Amino acid sequence: DQQVKQNSPSLSVQEGRISILNCDYTNSMFDYFLWYKKYPAEGPTFLISISSIKDKNEDGRFTVFLNKSAKHLSLHIVPSQPGDSAVYFCAASVGGGTSYGKLTFGQGTILTVHP
Amino acid sequence: EAQVTQNPRYLITVTGKKLTVTCSQNMNHEYMSWYRQDPGLGLRQIYYSMNVEVTDKGDVPEGYKVSRKEKRNFPLILESPSPNQTSLYFCASSWGVGANVLTFGAGSRLTVL
Repeated sequence: DQQVKQNSPSLSVQEGRISILNCDYTNSMFDYFLWYKKYPAEGPTFLISISSIKDKNEDGRFTVFLNKSAKHLSLHIVPSQPGDSAVYFCAASVGGGTSYGKLTFGQGTILTVHP
Repeated sequence: EAQVTQNPRYLITVTGKKLTVTCSQNMNHEYMSWYRQDPGLGLRQIYYSMNVEVTDKGDVPEGYKVSRKEKRNFPLILESPSPNQTSLYFCASSWGVGANVLTFGAGSRLTVL
């Protein structure tokens, strides 16, 4: 049972445009959400996160939106750059500040940004 | 440099031949975990450890063992590997309670023939 789902295996965008990556979850106990980026032959690296008490978190070109009623979050990258081409994983956890980092991951979305 | 180091990075082995994938972190993190990445399934947790001598099963523990005798090391042991354990494995760590952000190693690609 996939509790965190990324239904788009891949996304292709033009450099300078917006990239929107989507993620849905089913477990209403999740209260902390993260996005990781992964380049080939490297481990995933943390990108941005959001607590369930917020609906938006911004860090430079990256913004994460959380819609708790729809159990949906999205990652916006504006403007997209060729160096953003990677696999993006959505992840969620239960317990907020008391958890030990047990993350449940989605399947990943391959983002390709064309020059 | 703060990092999680895994070895070997690549390994081809045969069914039934015991192997160990080592993981070491230099950040004095309490929490360590193993994940496997498979196409269409994302990353799934195998085992985790909240501190020395404290380990527990994750979502897909069958066929794996772990130990945490020292804070910095968390080896993954495959006693009798089978082809369905062919995967990309990641070790990760975080400092402790409230630390939802994991730091990952570079991965170990294992092929079991």
